[in-house]
Amino acid sequence: GAGVSQSPRYKVAKRGQDVALRCDPISGHVSLFWYQQALGQGPEFLTYFQNEAQLDKSGLPSDRFFAERPEGSVSTLKIQRTQQEDSAVYLCASSLHAGPYEQYFGPGTRLTVT
Amino acid sequence: SQQGEEDPQALSIQEGENATMNCSYKTSINNLQWYRQNSGRGLVHLILIRSNEREKHSGRLRVTLDTSKKSSSLLITASRAADTASYFCATGPNTGNQFYFGTGTSLTVIP
Repeated sequence: GAGVSQSPRYKVAKRGQDVALRCDPISGHVSLFWYQQALGQGPEFLTYFQNEAQLDKSGLPSDRFFAERPEGSVSTLKIQRTQQEDSAVYLCASSLHAGPYEQYFGPGTRLTVT
Repeated sequence: SQQGEEDPQALSIQEGENATMNCSYKTSINNLQWYRQNSGRGLVHLILIRSNEREKHSGRLRVTLDTSKKSSSLLITASRAADTASYFCATGPNTGNQFYFGTGTSLTVIP
């Protein structure tokens, strides 16, 4: 069946631009996570949704980062006024159940801020 | 910040040898998971071990967990070139929803 998909796969933004990254989780999955992965590092937690509720956003690095999942399926991560330090791969993962169980990851969006 | 630390950072072995990598973490956990990441397939879940389990097997993978030492190990037996990838441990918390990945071990299996 279809896995987690993300779009775009690559995004180049000029510093100061706003970007929106999309995640389509596996159908029926309750949990959705966003992570940021810098080169050579492990993924860093950004935020967690259970259905449409954003239960944890403690990992968002600044108020320029905003995530939503209005209907409990597709999610969007928005970054306003991008900075060079935002350059990273943004990963989305979904999980069938609520809580910290097996996650299925998308291919990621590589964001480069110039 | 990263919750877990993997050791070693990099490991190079011959095909057919066993590979062992270790993970240490900081807080109490519900479970610990291992993931593999390579450029071809992205991040893929390998195995989950619950905090009340000490050892778990899946195919050529063997995972141990020592909650008193806050550490885990992943053993890959009879390695293959296709096992070449980065391996991450990830901890699922007892409370809250933050899910922490370690820094990763880069494994190279030489044919």
